[in-house]
Amino acid sequence: QSALTQPASVSGSPGQSISISCTGSSGDVGAYYFVSWYQQHPGKAPKLIIYDVSNRPSGVSDRFSGSKSGNTASLTISGLQAEDEADYYCSSYTSTSTPHSLFGGGTQLTVL
Amino acid sequence: QVQLVESGGGVVQPGRSLRLACAASGFTFSSYGMHWVRQAPGKGLEWVAVISHDGKNIYYADSMKGRFTISRDNSKNTLYLQMNSLRIEDTAVYYCAKDLASYTQYWYFDLWGRGTLVTVSS
Repeated sequence: QSALTQPASVSGSPGQSISISCTGSSGDVGAYYFVSWYQQHPGKAPKLIIYDVSNRPSGVSDRFSGSKSGNTASLTISGLQAEDEADYYCSSYTSTSTPHSLFGGGTQLTVL
Repeated sequence: QVQLVESGGGVVQPGRSLRLACAASGFTFSSYGMHWVRQAPGKGLEWVAVISHDGKNIYYADSMKGRFTISRDNSKNTLYLQMNSLRIEDTAVYYCAKDLASYTQYWYFDLWGRGTLVTVSS
């Protein structure tokens, strides 16, 4: 049950757009649309911001968007704001061996 | 108020056991699958286990299988995690999380508790 691969850190200036990649395999990200993204501020619980690859829960800003191509999913944040500075985690369902969920290692976003 | 509140964390010696609880309120607990997710200090998230809304379907991460047991009591709106044979590497904040969809596993975690810290140390 290997974790999904994310860059350790990304950065951007206010107003810019950034993307975070999440690379899995043909058994998880590549096989299912059960890909989600979570935002976690220091000392806080994670918050669901994207599910089903590209859907946003009610109340989540439309500056957050998701996509997938092959074994790689991506989170894009447009119009960066200071409050976006946080850790971001991708997650994917997989049924390799038994059904379970995988997380990426997390990406720290710094707003310069 | 829709919330999850974990309890039961603390300091425990390697090889000992601990039971965590997660009290749910503000939603129909018995309609939703529930998960445990943990986070070691300064590290990323790690999925632990899931239990279906009716308790009939249970799955674990390989590293926890055989040592951890997830269960629920729908009459008490409470989720549990029994952890046995604890190891130093089990030290983490343990979060309970609600599945997004009712009556099925959707594998998205749309409501999280604040977490409870488990420290395994001699």
